[in-house]
Amino acid sequence: EVQLLESGGGLVQPGGSLRLSCAASGFTFGNYAMSWVRQVPGKGLEWVSAISASGGHTHYADSVEGGFTISRDNSKNTLHLQMDSLRAEDTAIYYCAKAPGAEVLATPGWHFDFWGRGTLVTVSS
Amino acid sequence: DIVLTQSPATLSLSPGDRATLSCRASQNIINYLAWYQQKPGQAPRLLIYDASNRATGIPARFSGSGSGTDFTLTISSLEAEDFAVYYCQQRRFWLTFGGGTKVEI
Repeated sequence: EVQLLESGGGLVQPGGSLRLSCAASGFTFGNYAMSWVRQVPGKGLEWVSAISASGGHTHYADSVEGGFTISRDNSKNTLHLQMDSLRAEDTAIYYCAKAPGAEVLATPGWHFDFWGRGTLVTVSS
Repeated sequence: DIVLTQSPATLSLSPGDRATLSCRASQNIINYLAWYQQKPGQAPRLLIYDASNRATGIPARFSGSGSGTDFTLTISSLEAEDFAVYYCQQRRFWLTFGGGTKVEI
């Protein structure tokens, strides 16, 4: 059974940093691209960042480009999101999500076949 | 960016009813559309990918159709556990989500 378990969320002040992690199990982690998707509570979904299976290609939404860094450790089946210079508008539930393939291309892109339960990030003073 | 517009925003139905949800894209996305279901406090769950393919374990009462710019998710006979929010997502160019349709009792 595929399982994705996020951790690392919490309360942080504007301008601060936070590092999210996602522990994966139930599949060969190193064979699949992974993403982070966020959701303001009660609102819609927004893709944040993606990384290819090998870790060689990364992509970011314009809203987080330059502030967030995605990475993965295939030896530990773990995905990370380093979030720096956080702003109030980054407050959201952050989900780790698995793609059905290895690459993350602009066209065609990808969908998500499995999701974690999410971790809440609150940016507030 | 490709914009996805879902309608209606809210659909009020009863168990046993047929639900028809719409997703319209701002440009041709061929068949690169997925549908997800999200219940309160839970992560989204993939229902349909590439417009009409049911994901593993998804009941046959869920079906997807459409191509180009107009897509439909149909739930043939609503069961109690189907009352949730449904999102569409395109992957024609990068990826974007629609705003969601809430199916309520």
